[in-house]
Amino acid sequence: DQQVKQNSPSLSVQEGRISILNCDYTNSMFDYFLWYKKYPAEGPTFLISISSIKDKNEDGRFTVFLNKSAKHLSLHIVPSQPGDSAVYFCAASPNYGGSQGNLIFGKGTKLSVKP
Amino acid sequence: DGGITQSPKYLFRKEGQNVTLSCEQNLNHDAMYWYRQDPGQGLRLIYYSQIVNDFQKGDIAEGYSVSREKKESFPLTVTSAQKNPTAFYLCASSIVQNTEAFFGQGTRLTVV
Repeated sequence: DQQVKQNSPSLSVQEGRISILNCDYTNSMFDYFLWYKKYPAEGPTFLISISSIKDKNEDGRFTVFLNKSAKHLSLHIVPSQPGDSAVYFCAASPNYGGSQGNLIFGKGTKLSVKP
Repeated sequence: DGGITQSPKYLFRKEGQNVTLSCEQNLNHDAMYWYRQDPGQGLRLIYYSQIVNDFQKGDIAEGYSVSREKKESFPLTVTSAQKNPTAFYLCASSIVQNTEAFFGQGTRLTVV
């Protein structure tokens, strides 16, 4: 049973517009969330994260929003650029910095930004 | 230049042969991980290690083995017992367990 779900396998957006990638989770004990970006045949790169005590974290064009009551987080990319085309993975930690469990990854959403 | 190095990038093996994938990090991280990526499956955890000389099975450890004799190194052996070894394998490390993981470039293993 998936604890971290990315229900949209793919998303297509026009260059300059906003990209919104969504992620849902089932375990209310998750205390830290991360987004990774992955190009084909490469390893994922860490993008941005958010602690469960916050509801928003911003880094340049990337903003992550966390809605704990809905067990939902989203990644906003504004403005979207063709170089943002990649697979984005959402991940959750059950015990940030602790020895119990490990990061749990969603299946990813493939973003295509069209010029 | 700090980072995680996986080698080789592409690897071909005959069915029934064991093969070892290399992973080295110079980030001074305590924790290291091996993941497998298959199309539409996301990242699945094979093995992880919190500290030198210790490692634990992940979600899909069957048919794999690891060692952690040095902090910098966490090699993964894909044994002949692994039913579907063809996949993209990713090594990662983090300062300690359950923190931001940093990934290597991956090894594409093809078993023919």
